[in-house]
Amino acid sequence: QKEVEQNSGPLSVPEGAIASLNCTYSDRVSQSFFWYRQYSGKSPELIMSIYSNGDKEDGRFTAQLNKASQYVSLLIRDSQPSDSATYLCAVTSDYKLSFGAGTTVTVRA
Amino acid sequence: SAVISQKPSRDICQRGTSLTIQCQVDSQVTMMFWYRQQPGQSLTLIATANQGSEATYESGFVIDKFPISRPNLTFSTLTVSNMSPEDSSIYLCSVAGLAGEGTGELFFGEGSRLTVL
Repeated sequence: QKEVEQNSGPLSVPEGAIASLNCTYSDRVSQSFFWYRQYSGKSPELIMSIYSNGDKEDGRFTAQLNKASQYVSLLIRDSQPSDSATYLCAVTSDYKLSFGAGTTVTVRA
Repeated sequence: SAVISQKPSRDICQRGTSLTIQCQVDSQVTMMFWYRQQPGQSLTLIATANQGSEATYESGFVIDKFPISRPNLTFSTLTVSNMSPEDSSIYLCSVAGLAGEGTGELFFGEGSRLTVL
């Protein structure tokens, strides 16, 4: 499986702040990129997908993709305690998803 | 997205035994996968479950240890054979290729948490 690297964390942010998560990948031909949220004891839940360079916004979440730099990020604006979870970056290669190790985010009330 | 049901949701097993995990989807899907998530770690792909043919295994995983069936487009099983404590993990069924979904999006079942004593 191809390599997907995430900033190790854990990341602690105050409520209302921006949480910034980063991910790099090794397979230059990857075409699809995803962010999953995983609460403790639960299965991963898809929160964002991005396929082309630039920004994609969905509510308080913004994904950014730069294929030339093989870099994808996730911004969580106005962070809430309910955003406390592990965020997994995933990259498609040959129709299979490879996952990063995850970054655990804790939002302090 | 589809409803993906896995069972058992959790089990405690004895060393040397085998356990079969079932995954049922409420609609036909093109692709089904099995992942493992060991404690505190990320997800590792075990294999792609191919409908009507042998599964495609990733490096480090073999059919004798993890036999997989996929008799139709809505159902698959994963067996964990001759279990040891190192097999204690969460096993996740995932699906892709739902009608109307974007490219490559995977959706997961609730997972099956196995503890091997």
